[in-house]
Amino acid sequence: LAKTTQPISMDSYEGQEVNITCSHNNIATNDYITWYQQFPSQGPRFIIQGYKTKVTNEVASLFIPADRKSSTLSLPRVSLSDTAVYYCLVGGSYIPTFGRGTSLIVHP
Amino acid sequence: DAGVTQSPTHLIKTRGQQVTLRCSPKSGHDTVSWYQQALGQGPQFIFQYYEEEERQRGNFPDRFSGHQYPNYSSELNVNALLLGDSALYLCASSFKGFFGTGAGDTQYFGPGTRLTVL
Repeated sequence: LAKTTQPISMDSYEGQEVNITCSHNNIATNDYITWYQQFPSQGPRFIIQGYKTKVTNEVASLFIPADRKSSTLSLPRVSLSDTAVYYCLVGGSYIPTFGRGTSLIVHP
Repeated sequence: DAGVTQSPTHLIKTRGQQVTLRCSPKSGHDTVSWYQQALGQGPQFIFQYYEEEERQRGNFPDRFSGHQYPNYSSELNVNALLLGDSALYLCASSFKGFFGTGAGDTQYFGPGTRLTVL
């Protein structure tokens, strides 16, 4: 199972860019990286997925260095509604292991 | 495009009782995975159903069982409920027995069922 390590919590302010880094040293060749967002008492919501380099969609960017041993989720100009827990998952064909995620708190 | 749906939203049971939770996968998906999420923790994998069979199972006792129907919907059954079974139960759908095939296709989660055992 691919193990991931994320900061337990982060604080930011409205309008700032937030970068959350996930470490996944034992990522396998076929693994891809997926980030989810979860609000209290709701199911995780897919944010972005990537394999290498940079991926961007309407809500976030994902940066993956060449060795793929880490990845960084970038949230541009966060708002109060971005306060949530963010999970990094590695894999695809085998059981994914969720850690405790990163609790992001956005302050006014 | 209908997403993953779960029922009921909330449920209260007492110790020793049995419970059945239901899930309908996202349109186009044929695989359902169930997760248990305790307060303050990440989701923990219970099992996965594909082609109406349990394909993979996490570290959960036999009190947890499931079923998948030909229309890909699924049930999670928990017998002999314990206080520790109180949690948010999540259903996630995907394709072809995987947890996501890459290239933008991944697991999609439902809203969950909050189970409280008294």
